[in-house]
Parts: sequence; C-alpha cells; structure tokens
Amino acid sequence: ILNVEQSPQSLHVQEGDSTNFTCSFPSSNFYALHWYRWETAKSPEALFVMTLNGDEKKKGRISATLNTKEGYSYLYIKGSQPEDSATYLCAFCPAGKSTFGDGTTLTVKP
Amino acid sequence: DGGITQSPKYLFRKEGQNVTLSCEQNLNHDAMYWYRQDPGQGLRLIYYSQIVNDFQKGDIAEGYSVSREKKESFPLTVTSAQKNPTAFYLCASTQGYYNEQFFGPGTRLTVL
Repeated sequence: ILNVEQSPQSLHVQEGDSTNFTCSFPSSNFYALHWYRWETAKSPEALFVMTLNGDEKKKGRISATLNTKEGYSYLYIKGSQPEDSATYLCAFCPAGKSTFGDGTTLTVKP
Repeated sequence: DGGITQSPKYLFRKEGQNVTLSCEQNLNHDAMYWYRQDPGQGLRLIYYSQIVNDFQKGDIAEGYSVSREKKESFPLTVTSAQKNPTAFYLCASTQGYYNEQFFGPGTRLTVL
C-alpha cells in the first residue's frame, strides 16, 4: 500500500487569510497527482491534475505546485472565503488506480 | 446530464445480511472504482474495474464482491464476511490518460 500523507489534518482560518497545505507521496514511479475538493453533502470534485515536476496550476484563488523529485505538492488558497470550507484530498496515481491521502479539512470563519 | 448515480443514499441492514450497493454511470467511462470512507480517514480502494467483465482487488477487498457485466454498472456487494461494514461508500469513474475521477453522491451503510 502506497503512503500518501496530507498535513495538517485540519485548519481553521479567518476570512481573508491565505493558507496552504501539503501532500507527500512516493517520489519514485511518479505518474500523476490529483487534488480534489470535497464539500459537505457533495461529491468530491477535481481541482487539479499535476503531471510534471515543477507544474504550477491555478484556478481563481487556488493554486498548486508539484515537486516529484522530493515527493510533495502544495495547495495554496489566497484570501480564503467561507465557501472554501471543505476537505481537500490529494491522490497519487500510478497508472490504473489512485491512492488518497486522509485529507485536510479547512474551515474558514467569517 | 451525464453523471454517476448511487442508490440508495442511506441503507440500514442487520448484521449477517449481504447487501448490494448500486453504481451507474452514463459518462461512457471505461474504468470504475469503489471506495470506502471511515470517519477521519481518506478514501480507501475496495475494487476497481478497467473494462467490462474484468475487475481487480484494491487495498481492502476482503468481505466485498463486485461484478462488471455492463460498462454503465458496477455494483458492490457487502457480504457478511466484512467485519465492520458500517461506512460511507463512494463510487467513481475515470476518464483521460491521468485518471481524473468523477464521483457519485455516495451511500451511507449502517449495519445494526
């Protein structure tokens, strides 16, 4: 079983704060890394697919970076809003199947 | 609208009974997956299927069985051999070269 770790487990920030969290994964046999957002009472939705070392992806106030050589990816949220409250999952994807981390649960207080 | 449906949303069963969770997709995706989530944990892979009439065990397959007779359907049976079946179950399908996953709404199974 592959080891995919996310930190911190949970995070509470004030509206307007910027924040970031980490996903660590095996640095060998890299294929792809996914970030998903999972809001309460909804299904997880894909945010980013990261495939190349040095990749940087951005969607609005959310961005992600990838370092495959050292085995980590960062997710950044700039100017957090209450609607950003969710669990953020990363998934390490050797071809065929994904191994998920336990997620980081973000709570943004108005 | 294309998507993945899971039914029912909530399911209650008595201990010792087998139960089947439904997963249907109309996205024309080849691969489908079943995950289990327990409180405070991420998604753990139970079974996956990359093509009709073929499936592979995931990390926690013991006590579960699946079938893939049609591309659109990937039902999961939770058998009486599963020691702790109470959990939230998510079905997913993937598209593209890098396996981006599309998820259903989930089924919460409670065994009494």
